[in-house]
Amino acid sequence: DGGITQSPKYLFRKEGQNVTLSCEQNLNHDAMYWYRQDPGQGLRLIYYSQIVNDFQKGDIAEGYSVSREKKESFPLTVTSAQKNPTAFYLCASSTRTSGGVGANVLTFGAGSRLTVL
Amino acid sequence: SQQGEEDPQALSIQEGENATMNCSYKTSINNLQWYRQNSGRGLVHLILIRSNEREKHSGRLRVTLDTSKKSSSLLITASRAADTASYFCATGLYGGATNKLIFGTGTLLAVQP
Repeated sequence: DGGITQSPKYLFRKEGQNVTLSCEQNLNHDAMYWYRQDPGQGLRLIYYSQIVNDFQKGDIAEGYSVSREKKESFPLTVTSAQKNPTAFYLCASSTRTSGGVGANVLTFGAGSRLTVL
Repeated sequence: SQQGEEDPQALSIQEGENATMNCSYKTSINNLQWYRQNSGRGLVHLILIRSNEREKHSGRLRVTLDTSKKSSSLLITASRAADTASYFCATGLYGGATNKLIFGTGTLLAVQP
């Protein structure tokens, strides 16, 4: 079955530690995204990538880093610089829009819940 | 910054009733999408309506779009307990070279059996 796999589902981190969340897709999608979800605030875009070896900052990129070395993979590192990292993190992918005409439909993973102790 | 705001924030109805959720947004869009999220899970795409469309149907779902008022509504007819979830609107921004959606804050729907 095609889809997006996020791991781990639950992660606990001590303050000052970096953690990496995995996101793998087998949908042959060019574009991939990371969103953060906090209670009552909807989804906020952290980083997105439209093609391998290229990515752009979203609205809340500070304290996060990503890489896109393979089409299938878009890992997110939550660094110690992120002051309030406890949240639900969602990875998504889509086909690449041509001509800059807007966004396509997103397919989401099941999410990773990060808790800072 | 949030582009979309859903209204109401929470809605509780009985099975068989219709549920209506509204979404307002701020800037010109290319399309508007609705997603559903079960508690603790990822989002699932429900329906997309383009800026030049006014109404769209998919099964028990009906979406309207009024670009002059920068608003959209999602109607779920003959609701079922399994429809209990959070519903989010998301806007595809017009004219950008990027491929991203901006999500609203969501409506939590509870359908009582």
